[in-house]
Amino acid sequence: EVQLLESGGGLAQPGWSLRLSCAASGFTFDDSGMHWVRQAPGKGLEWVSGISWNSGNIEYADSVKGRFTISRDNAKNSLFLQMNSLRADDTALYYCVKENDYTESFDFWGQGTLVSVSS
Amino acid sequence: DIQMTQSPSSLSASVGDRVTITCRASQTISTYLNWYQQKPGKAPELLIYAASNLQSGVPSRFSGSGSGADFTLTISSLQPEDFATYYCQQRYSTPLTFGGGTKVEIK
Repeated sequence: EVQLLESGGGLAQPGWSLRLSCAASGFTFDDSGMHWVRQAPGKGLEWVSGISWNSGNIEYADSVKGRFTISRDNAKNSLFLQMNSLRADDTALYYCVKENDYTESFDFWGQGTLVSVSS
Repeated sequence: DIQMTQSPSSLSASVGDRVTITCRASQTISTYLNWYQQKPGKAPELLIYAASNLQSGVPSRFSGSGSGADFTLTISSLQPEDFATYYCQQRYSTPLTFGGGTKVEIK
């Protein structure tokens, strides 16, 4: 059974940093592209960042470029999102998402970790 | 960036109704289009990939069609468990983008 368990969310002030983690199990992690997708309260889905299986290809949404850094540790089946210079509009539920590289779709989602940015 | 526009943004329907949701891309994306269902308080789940392929385990009352810039998600006979919000997503180019969502409510 595929499991994606996010952690690291919480309350932060503007300008602070947070590091999100995602522990993956139930599939061959180092075969899969991985992504972060967020959802602001009561809003739709927004893709944040993605990383290929070997970290050779990394992409970011313009809204987070230069502030967020995605990374992975295949030896530990873990995905990370380092979030710096947080802003109020980063407030959202952050989902760790597995990509099916064959169908190019998001076939498994974690339950999310909530990040709240407020002074 | 490719903009994804869904319509309607919400709809009311009864159990047994046929429901159609449309998604339009701001440029052609071939069939690089996926559909997701999200129930309140839950993570999204994949329904359809590559515009028309049913994800394993998804009931056959769901179907997808389209190519280029115009796509459709159809629920042939709405069931109580189908009341949810539906999102399209393009996988043609980064940044990956989602439609604004269509909330399907009970009439």
